[in-house]
Amino acid sequence: QSVLTQPPSVSGAPGQRVTISCTGSSSNIGAGYDVHWYQQLPGTAPKLLIYRDTNRPSGVPDRFSGSKSGTSASLAITGLQAEDEADYYCQSYDSGLSGVFGGGTKLTVL
Amino acid sequence: EVQLAESGGGLVQPGGSLRLSCAASGFTFSNHWMSWVRQAPGKGLEWVANIKQDGSEKYYVASVRGRFTISRDNAQNSLYLQMNSLRAEDTAVYYCARLVEVNGYYFDYWGQGTLVTVSS
Repeated sequence: QSVLTQPPSVSGAPGQRVTISCTGSSSNIGAGYDVHWYQQLPGTAPKLLIYRDTNRPSGVPDRFSGSKSGTSASLAITGLQAEDEADYYCQSYDSGLSGVFGGGTKLTVL
Repeated sequence: EVQLAESGGGLVQPGGSLRLSCAASGFTFSNHWMSWVRQAPGKGLEWVANIKQDGSEKYYVASVRGRFTISRDNAQNSLYLQMNSLRAEDTAVYYCARLVEVNGYYFDYWGQGTLVTVSS
């Protein structure tokens, strides 16, 4: 059971928009700590996708965006492409546990 | 270019020990907190340990505290994870990652990982 809760899977057709939620609690996201997102393509290491709730590292397309409100955060992907098929993880800091991840969401591009 | 390269994984019996290494390049290693993050087969990511720039502060997830030790050698640009009293549930790919302190922290660069299998 992960400290941050994500849906196990989401799917969408090419060109569509999908969102992935990340729900925490008052000791992590709700305490105001930043949320970060990672993309893990099959068989590869995780890669930073969104940092500090809404920021994209250099090289990450603007089709990826992050938001946060209360005890939850979301990752949105617009203009879905086949190469977006991957596992996505949210991560934050918990005052009692230190670094915490969501359980991961598998994105399938139909 | 930032590069992190783990080594030292392998098959070990329950109760055994293993030492993982991570060679860093492309940045000033001594300026950054560093971390180990693991991923059990078919499972999600789990933070394992952090170490401060000078090694003076170390933090561990509860499940490895007292069994694992994170350390670093800034002269060699290297990060280590000494793993003792290994259990089957420690089986995972172990990633070395560079940590960025913000409001909390995140991991901006990751190595390719090294697989540790604990089995008799």
